[in-house]
Amino acid sequence: QKEVEQDPGPLSVPEGAIVSLNCTYSNSAFQYFMWYRQYSRKGPELLMYTYSSGNKEDGRFTAQVDKSSKYISLFIRDSQPSDSATYLCAMSAVEVVGAQKLVFGQGTRLTINP
Amino acid sequence: DAEITQSPRHKITETGRQVTLACHQTWNHNNMFWYRQDLGHGLRLIHYSYGVQDTNKGEVSDGYSVSRSNTEDLPLTLESAASSQTSVYFCASSDPSGSTGELFFGEGSRLTVL
Repeated sequence: QKEVEQDPGPLSVPEGAIVSLNCTYSNSAFQYFMWYRQYSRKGPELLMYTYSSGNKEDGRFTAQVDKSSKYISLFIRDSQPSDSATYLCAMSAVEVVGAQKLVFGQGTRLTINP
Repeated sequence: DAEITQSPRHKITETGRQVTLACHQTWNHNNMFWYRQDLGHGLRLIHYSYGVQDTNKGEVSDGYSVSRSNTEDLPLTLESAASSQTSVYFCASSDPSGSTGELFFGEGSRLTVL
């Protein structure tokens, strides 16, 4: 069983829809949770970052972490064609300060149709 | 602007040949990482380094090696390329003093082993 599971999709929705992307994980030591966005033939870029449980909002994006269920989500409101990309969840446990190794999900390929 | 560059961006090689992928960052980050990205697997860690002369194995290190002689560079060497090493390779770096452990990725190197 992989430490981090993410539905690879692909997911295709119309412009303006609310998108929900999810990951589950098995390692209860994970404390840092991130979402990266990767455009085609580019490197991933950090989109959202959350420490421990709770919600974080940034414009049209909301990240949620439920440590009790080992489940994280990314919501995109009023989705735009420019949101079309692969979204990767990532998480880490701090073993030594400054020495965090991220574990990634498989990535979900999202297409927003005009 | 600080950046991380990979070369070559595309390479085709034959089974058994030695291949080196270069990674150069101008962020002055101590932490550097090599990942490979394959369909259905997401990003998997190959090797990482927390500073000059420091190297560590990741989850898929067999057949790969790295060396760190300065802060800026972490070349990845495939000692004897195999078809199973056909993949997209991403180099990344992070600032150990940063609170999030955010990774900054290069654009990727697409390797085909025939």
